[in-house]
Amino acid sequence: AQKITQTQPGMFVQEKEAVTLDCTYDTSDQSYGLFWYKQPSSGEMIFLIYQGSYDEQNATEGRYSLNFQKARKSANLVISASQLGDSAMYFCAPNGGATNKLIFGTGTLLAVQP
Amino acid sequence: EPEVTQTPSHQVTQMGQEVILRCVPISNHLYFYWYRQILGQKVEFLVSFYNNEISEKSEIFDDQFSVERPDGSNFTLKIRSTKLEDSAMYFCASRQIGSYNEQFFGPGTRLTVL
Repeated sequence: AQKITQTQPGMFVQEKEAVTLDCTYDTSDQSYGLFWYKQPSSGEMIFLIYQGSYDEQNATEGRYSLNFQKARKSANLVISASQLGDSAMYFCAPNGGATNKLIFGTGTLLAVQP
Repeated sequence: EPEVTQTPSHQVTQMGQEVILRCVPISNHLYFYWYRQILGQKVEFLVSFYNNEISEKSEIFDDQFSVERPDGSNFTLKIRSTKLEDSAMYFCASRQIGSYNEQFFGPGTRLTVL
């Protein structure tokens, strides 16, 4: 079974600074996707960014980018120019299995301070 | 923009009662999922559904759970005899065909079993 590790249960960052949220995973799949979701205090799950295992370029989506290191099986999320609205729980979720279900890590709670 | 909807937003039930959680996936999506999140814990996969049948399920998805797509638009999760430990947020998600498409999540149904 896949194991997803997010080693930072909580992080603080100053507004306008960049922050990196760590994620490592353990998979035997040759082809897979890596997703990051944001869960604000209101509870909904918001898709942020995706990286394919065969993509040569690191994914970017606005202020979000992925530092993808396939050999190390890590896919760290970088948020640039943090905003107060970025305060939320962030989940790393590779997909796997026959139906590409998402397998979530334990999450990192990010608090952006003014 | 199309979105996944879920009803009700909050359901309170007595232990042993049956509950049905409802979801309307995005109309051109073909894969459907249910996940649950016990308060303060990570999101866990329950079941995936494709072509009118279960395509994958987790060990959590025991005989007390069932899913169906009764009318081509709704996607339901039924818990036959609820237990206290079924209290959680239940998320429905859907995606287009193709491994690398993100799953779109509904806002969730908070189930409270008393």
